[in-house]
Amino acid sequence: LAKTTQPISMDSYEGQEVNITCSHNNIATNDYITWYQQFPSQGPRFIIQGYKTKVTNEVASLFIPADRKSSTLSLPRVSLSDTAVYYCLVGEGSSNTGKLIFGQGTTLQVKP
Amino acid sequence: GAVVSQHPSWVICKSGTSVKIECRSLDFQATTMFWYRQFPKQSLMLMATSNEGSKATYEQGVEKDKFLINHASLTLSTLTVTSAHPEDSSFYICSARLEGWGYEQYFGPGTRLTVT
Repeated sequence: LAKTTQPISMDSYEGQEVNITCSHNNIATNDYITWYQQFPSQGPRFIIQGYKTKVTNEVASLFIPADRKSSTLSLPRVSLSDTAVYYCLVGEGSSNTGKLIFGQGTTLQVKP
Repeated sequence: GAVVSQHPSWVICKSGTSVKIECRSLDFQATTMFWYRQFPKQSLMLMATSNEGSKATYEQGVEKDKFLINHASLTLSTLTVTSAHPEDSSFYICSARLEGWGYEQYFGPGTRLTVT
C-alpha cells in the first residue's frame, strides 16, 4: 500500500481557504485518493475522492497533478467547525481488498 | 445515503468479560467491512477485514482469538472482544465498503470501550 505523508498540523483563520497537501510517491496505477475528516470521538467522515486532475463537491476540491504523486485538498472559506483531523489515504482499486491504512493525519485548527 | 451505524456507542465492562460490538450498513449492502481501533490522539489502526460469508483477515499483530469477527449478512458485522482487559480499552470504529468505482468506505460513529 502506498504510504502518504502530510503535515502534522496547520493553523488557519475563519473565512480563509485552506490547502492541505499530501505526498504519495509510490501510488499505484489503480489506486485512488480519498480524504476523510475526523472530529474527536467520532468516526471519519468521507470528504472527497479522486483519481486524477480535479474533483469538486459541495464541501471541498481535490487537485491531483498528472504524475499523481501528490494531491491537495482545498477547503474554501473555513469556519471554526472545520477544526478537525484530515486524513489523506491511497486505496487499492477494484481488484482487491480496498484496505485503507491511515497515516498520522493533519490537525487543522481554525481560529476566529 | 451510505450510513453506517454501530451499537453500542459506549460500553463499560469488567476485566475478563466479553463484549460484542455491532456494525451495520443501513442503506446499502457491504460484502466487505473493516474494523479499526483508535487510542487517544492517535490515528486509526486497521485490525481486520471482514468478508461476508467467510473468515476475517487479520492484520499482523492482531490476535484473532481475542477479537472475533463475524460477518453473517451483507449488512452486519460484529466484533467480539473476548476476555477483555484494561489495555483493550479503546475507540473501536468500523467501516463498510461501497462497491463501485473507487470503493468508497463509510465509517460508523465508533464505540468507546472501557474495561475496568
